[in-house]
Amino acid sequence: AQSVAQPEDQVNVAEGNPLTVKCTYSVSGNPYLFWYVQYPNRGLQFLLKYITGDNLVKGSYGFEAEFNKSQTSFHLKKPSALVSDSALYFCAVRALSGNTPLVFGKGTRLSVIA
Amino acid sequence: GAVVSQHPSRVICKSGTSVKIECRSLDFQATTMFWYRQFPKQSLMLMATSNEGSKATYEQGVEKDKFLINHASLTLSTLTVTSAHPEDSSFYICSAPHWENSYNEQFFGPGTRLTVL
Repeated sequence: AQSVAQPEDQVNVAEGNPLTVKCTYSVSGNPYLFWYVQYPNRGLQFLLKYITGDNLVKGSYGFEAEFNKSQTSFHLKKPSALVSDSALYFCAVRALSGNTPLVFGKGTRLSVIA
Repeated sequence: GAVVSQHPSRVICKSGTSVKIECRSLDFQATTMFWYRQFPKQSLMLMATSNEGSKATYEQGVEKDKFLINHASLTLSTLTVTSAHPEDSSFYICSAPHWENSYNEQFFGPGTRLTVL
């Protein structure tokens, strides 16, 4: 069975500082990993994904994530946080093969303080 | 990428009424669609897998008689919340898998916010 853990409910960071939102996963076979962002009363917005290839994935709005197979992690990062990055972030995983649905982490609320 | 739409985006209804939510794949065919539910400040939980031409598969704990799913065509799945109650108030999101760049990706609808009074 697939699962995702986001160990932090809340991450606070000062504007201009680097940010990291943690994610670890469990899946049978090769993973297909995603990060989504959700603003209040809105749907999911895709940020980035990892399928195969380079472990460092670059996505939308300056975000990037590093796939670490040995640690089964896919942490989301940004070198310099903006107040507008404040939102709810979800990590999700599914097996690369087949037609299985995404399994989501519980979400991490990011608050960037000016 | 492929586009998935949902209608309505927001609905308010009285307790005891039924509400239908539509999920459409606009530019591709989807034999499978997924329905998720998100309670306030919580994660997305998979409710069921909708299969075109056959019965939906429900996750454990989801009442199939309360959440009726019909996947009547290759571009439309509907979720009907029957005899809705305030505890059914939630954000309902559908998704559909589609092959893009040799990989099977999921595309999400914008969600439907249901409020039951």
